[in-house]
Amino acid sequence: QVQLVESGGGLVKPGGSLRLSCAASGFTFNDFYMSWIRQAPGKGLEWVSYISSSTNTIYYADSVEGRFTISRDNARNSVYLQMTSLRAEDTALYYCAARYNWHVVYWGHGTLVTVSS
Amino acid sequence: QSALTQPASMSGSPGQSITISCTGTSSDIGNFNFVSWYQHHPGKAPKLVIYDVSNRPSGISNRFSGSKSGNAASLTISGLQAEDEADYYCNSYTKSSTLGVFGGGTKLTVL
Repeated sequence: QVQLVESGGGLVKPGGSLRLSCAASGFTFNDFYMSWIRQAPGKGLEWVSYISSSTNTIYYADSVEGRFTISRDNARNSVYLQMTSLRAEDTALYYCAARYNWHVVYWGHGTLVTVSS
Repeated sequence: QSALTQPASMSGSPGQSITISCTGTSSDIGNFNFVSWYQHHPGKAPKLVIYDVSNRPSGISNRFSGSKSGNAASLTISGLQAEDEADYYCNSYTKSSTLGVFGGGTKLTVL
């Protein structure tokens, strides 16, 4: 049974940092690009970042470039998102997602990040 | 990168067919066959229902079908059922961003 379980969300002040984690199971982790996708309250889905299985390909949305860092540990079947200099507009439900070619095959349930003073 | 354009809401009665549109440009849908569709029941994980324009993943009902014409893609749900009530998002490869681009989402109500 495929599972993607996110953790690490919470309430943080503007300018603060958070590290999201995602533990994967039930599929061959190394076969997939791993991604983070977010959904702000009342809004649609937005790509945040993805990382290739070998970690040599990494992309970020313009809105988070320079502030967020994605990484993965294939031995632990896990992917991470280090978020710094957080802003109110980063408030969202963050989904971990396993991407194959140009579509997402598996999704987590999301972890909520709230940036507020 | 501008989002793909979807109708904000649609509705249909049980048993009917409904088609959700997703309009892009020649930089995305118009020149690439990498359109995918996701069903999202709030509070649950989104689910892939169509990939590469018209392919159904294993386990997805054949009531779901996808197509493309010009710069627009479509998701058709036939024989609407109560459990089809959800938000639907399209996504496409785009030359403008290596990440891809989502549509704004369509809230489908089954009357």
